[in-house]
Amino acid sequence: QSVLTQPPSVSGAPGQRVTISCTGSSSNIGAAYDVQWYQQLPGTAPKLLMYGNTNRPSGVPDRFSGSKSGTSASLAITGLQAEDEADYYCQSHDSSLSGSVFGGGTKLTVL
Amino acid sequence: QVQLVQSGAEVKKPGASVKVSCKASGYTFTGYSFTWVRQAPGQGFEWMGWINVHNGDTNFAQKFQGRVTMTTDTSTSTAYMELRSLRSDDTAVYYCARLLCSSATCPLDYWGQGTLVTVSS
Repeated sequence: QSVLTQPPSVSGAPGQRVTISCTGSSSNIGAAYDVQWYQQLPGTAPKLLMYGNTNRPSGVPDRFSGSKSGTSASLAITGLQAEDEADYYCQSHDSSLSGSVFGGGTKLTVL
Repeated sequence: QVQLVQSGAEVKKPGASVKVSCKASGYTFTGYSFTWVRQAPGQGFEWMGWINVHNGDTNFAQKFQGRVTMTTDTSTSTAYMELRSLRSDDTAVYYCARLLCSSATCPLDYWGQGTLVTVSS
């Protein structure tokens, strides 16, 4: 059972917009710790997709955006492309565990 | 460019130890810290702990305290993670990841390719 809760799967057609939610608690996201998002393509290492809730590393398309409110965060992907099909994980810090916590991951399927 | 290259897959018997290496290149090794994360087959990520490369300080997840050691060798720009008293449920892919800043709350901006550790009798 992951500390952060994500939907197991989301899907969308090419060109559409999808969002992935990440729900935490008062000891992590709600405690003002930043949320990061990682993209993991099949059989590969994760790649940092979003950091500090809303910041994209260099090279990440602006089709990806992040937001945070209260004890939750969201990743939005607009203009879906086949190459976006991957697993997405949120991550934050937890004060009660004194370490990083992750969501269970969301599998994005591009129909 | 930044690269983290991990050691190869390992097969260990229950009760044994494993030491995974993570060789960094493309940046100043002492300027960043490392965290170690594992992913059991078909599962999400589990944070194991982190090491401050600058001063050697470590912080481990309670689950692994007493069983894990994290070290670095600045002469070879390599980070190490040793896990002892292995059990079957330690079977996972182990990743090293660079922390964007020197705090456990920082993003993991570069990851190694992962090292599969299989624990089986």
